[in-house]
Amino acid sequence: ELKVEQNPLFLSMQEGKNYTIYCNYSTTSDRLYWYRQDPGKSLESLFVLLSNGAVKQEGRLMASLDTKARLSTLHITAAVHDLSATYFCAVGRGSGGGADGLTFGKGTHLIIQP
Amino acid sequence: DSGVTQTPKHLITATGQRVTLRCSPRSGDLSVYWYQQSLDQGLQFLIQYYNGEERAKGNILERFSAQQFPDLHSELNLSSLELGDSALYFCASSVESGGYTEAFFGQGTRLTVV
Repeated sequence: ELKVEQNPLFLSMQEGKNYTIYCNYSTTSDRLYWYRQDPGKSLESLFVLLSNGAVKQEGRLMASLDTKARLSTLHITAAVHDLSATYFCAVGRGSGGGADGLTFGKGTHLIIQP
Repeated sequence: DSGVTQTPKHLITATGQRVTLRCSPRSGDLSVYWYQQSLDQGLQFLIQYYNGEERAKGNILERFSAQQFPDLHSELNLSSLELGDSALYFCASSVESGGYTEAFFGQGTRLTVV
């Protein structure tokens, strides 16, 4: 059974600081997703990582994937209040492409304080 | 706006009742996924349909069923409802593209069972 673990589950940080959210998964997968969710809202796709060593950046967020370690990281640089949200990583359940459901981590609730 | 439309946005019903949630995927997307988000279980994949056929099954209860119609909209039927079925139900859609699939989520239907 595929398991996805995120840590930390809760993070309070100050504006301007850097921090990293970690996502470990238990079995081989060829794709890793990061989503953002604001309270009571839908999930917004942030990154899709497809190969070992993949790195993607958007603004103050950068995601990376190490398939050998089964680890993805979401790094936040010089945090701002607008980044406060819950961040989920998710792993494709199948392999070799095609459509199937995602297994999500429990989410990291991020609060950025002035 | 992801382009995925879910109705209704909110639903309150009594235990033992049956409800139907509706999802219209993004134009051109053939795959529809249903997810349940609750405080205790987190985000769980329920079921996926692709072009009218069931494609993958997750943690869907026997009291729940889904279908995808020829116009590609999907319905999730929840019957014999229990208090524990109260949750946010998301629909997502995707178009298979290359070696990965990116899913776009609707705004969700918040179901409250009283």
